[in-house]
Amino acid sequence: GNSVTQMEGPVTLSEEAFLTINCTYTATGYPSLFWYVQYPGEGLQLLLKATKADDKGSNKGFEATYRKETTSFHLEKGSVQVSDSAVYFCALSDRSGGFKTIFGAGTRLFVKA
Amino acid sequence: GAGVSQSPSNKVTEKGKDVELRCDPISGHTALYWYRQSLGQGLEFLIYFQGNSAPDKSGLPSDRFSAERTGGSVSTLTIQRTQQEDSAVYLCASSEQAGDEQYFGPGTRLTVT
Repeated sequence: GNSVTQMEGPVTLSEEAFLTINCTYTATGYPSLFWYVQYPGEGLQLLLKATKADDKGSNKGFEATYRKETTSFHLEKGSVQVSDSAVYFCALSDRSGGFKTIFGAGTRLFVKA
Repeated sequence: GAGVSQSPSNKVTEKGKDVELRCDPISGHTALYWYRQSLGQGLEFLIYFQGNSAPDKSGLPSDRFSAERTGGSVSTLTIQRTQQEDSAVYLCASSEQAGDEQYFGPGTRLTVT
């Protein structure tokens, strides 16, 4: 079946550091890939998405590229801010899975001033 | 426009009692999802509705859990004979079509004493 694996947290960085959160997936079809974010005390919201191979999703300085050859969708940001502290979830949705969305376990990010 | 709403926001119940959790999706969204998020954990898929199709119930943890969606809009998740391990935040999300980005509600925090 479909699955998503993302790096365990927590990840602690200083402000302006480079961020990478790894995400790899297993899917029988051609999934759409998503990153969702949950800020402290808030609900989940979409951060970015990519629907086909080599697409790059971007938002708020974050980027992720859909890599079919490595089945990966790593999240990156060049310079993190304290306000980026949150839990980040990688997810996939795939027709072969009936469009049931599978989420990774989440990675908590702490950014220190 | 209005987002996804859930009620109640908090529910404390005694072990063995039944509870009903309500979700109002974004108007016009054909897909509706229920997830469970335990403390510090990722999202556990419970059930998914798409239009008039039979729901995907593959994530329901036991037959004590059931859900319905009336008129293609409001959904109710029912947990019968609640157990302490049912304590979690129950999240509802909707999307325009299956596989699209999901919009999440604020969740219902269920505590079983």
